Formats: sequence, structure tokens, C-alpha cells
Amino acid sequence: GNSVTQMEGPVTLSEEAFLTINCTYTATGYPSLFWYVQYPGEGLQLLLKATKADDKGSNKGFEATYRKETTSFHLEKGSVQVSDSAVYFCALSDQGGSEKLVFGKGTKLTVNP
Amino acid sequence: GAGVSQSPSNKVTEKGKDVELRCDPISGHTALYWYRQSLGQGLEFLIYFQGNSAPDKSGLPSDRFSAERTGGSVSTLTIQRTQQEDSAVYLCASSLEGFGYTFGSGTRLTVV
Repeated sequence: GNSVTQMEGPVTLSEEAFLTINCTYTATGYPSLFWYVQYPGEGLQLLLKATKADDKGSNKGFEATYRKETTSFHLEKGSVQVSDSAVYFCALSDQGGSEKLVFGKGTKLTVNP
Repeated sequence: GAGVSQSPSNKVTEKGKDVELRCDPISGHTALYWYRQSLGQGLEFLIYFQGNSAPDKSGLPSDRFSAERTGGSVSTLTIQRTQQEDSAVYLCASSLEGFGYTFGSGTRLTVV
């Protein structure tokens, strides 16, 4: 079945550091890929998405490129801020005819001033 | 409403009791999803409703779990004879055309 593997956390960075959170997937067909973010005490929010190979999703300075050849969708940001501290989830759309999502286990990011 | 509303936000129940969790999706959203978020386990799909179609129940972990969606709007997730392993945050989400979910803030269930 479909699955998503993302790097284990927690990740701790200093402000203005470069961020990469790795995500790889296993899926049949051509899934859509997503990054969701969960800020402390809040619900999950869609951060960015890509629906086909080589698409780049971007939002709030974060980027991720859909790489079919490496089945990856790594999340990057050039300069993190304290306000980016959150849990980040990689996900893909199921190919079973519904739009249910398969999530990774989440990566907790803490950014220190 | 402006967002997906879930109630209660917190629920503590005794082992063996039944609980009902409620989700009010965004008005007009045809799809509604329930997920469970357990510590260290990420998000686990439970059930999916789309319009008038039969729900996709493939993620329900046991027959103690059931869900309804009345009138294509409000949904209730029921857990019968709760067990300690049911303790988790239960998240509801809705969407209009399948992409770009809006999640609620969740119900934190603790079974003691």
C-alpha cells in the first residue's frame, strides 16, 4: 500500500539556519504530495502541495519539489524563524478513488532565537 | 461556519464507556474525513464521507468504532466500550473538491 516516510525528529535549529526535512513515498500511480504544519495548540494547516512530477510547491518561504525519480518531496526553507517552530507532516493522496491522505509520522521543529 | 468545528475539545472517559465526538464541517463542503493522531504515530485515516456515496470505512480499527454523517453535514464518531489504546486526538477535516483539507482543532480523548 501507499506509505510516507519522513525524517525522525526532533529537529532543533537556530534562527536563520537552513532547514531540510526529508520525505520519501511509496505509491502506485501518480499521487499528489502535501506538506501540512501543526503549530502548538492549533489544528493542521496545509502548507504547500504539488500535484505532478517536477512541480514545486511553495508558501511562507518553504519549498518542496515533487521528484518522481527519487520518490521524494523534501521540505526546505532558506532561513527559519522562531515562529516556524511546529510539527510538519508529509502526506500523499490515496489512489483508491477517494482523496484520503496517507501521512508520515511528523517531524517536530524547534527554532531557537 | 468559518472553519471546521469539533466538540468536545477534551474528553476524559472511563474504560468501557461509550463516547461520541462531533464534527461540524465547513458549510457546503461535500467531503468529510476522520483521522486519529496518536503520540508518535502520525495521523491514521479512519473514515471518509463524500456526498451521498457509501462511506469509506476502511480505516476503522475495530467494530467498536462507527461514524455517521447526517444530512450531508454534521458527523458523529462513536467509540463503544472504550479502551485505553483509544486515547488519542481525533481530527475531523472537510473539503469541497477533495484537495486542500481544512482540519478542525481536534478532540483529545483520554480513557482512564
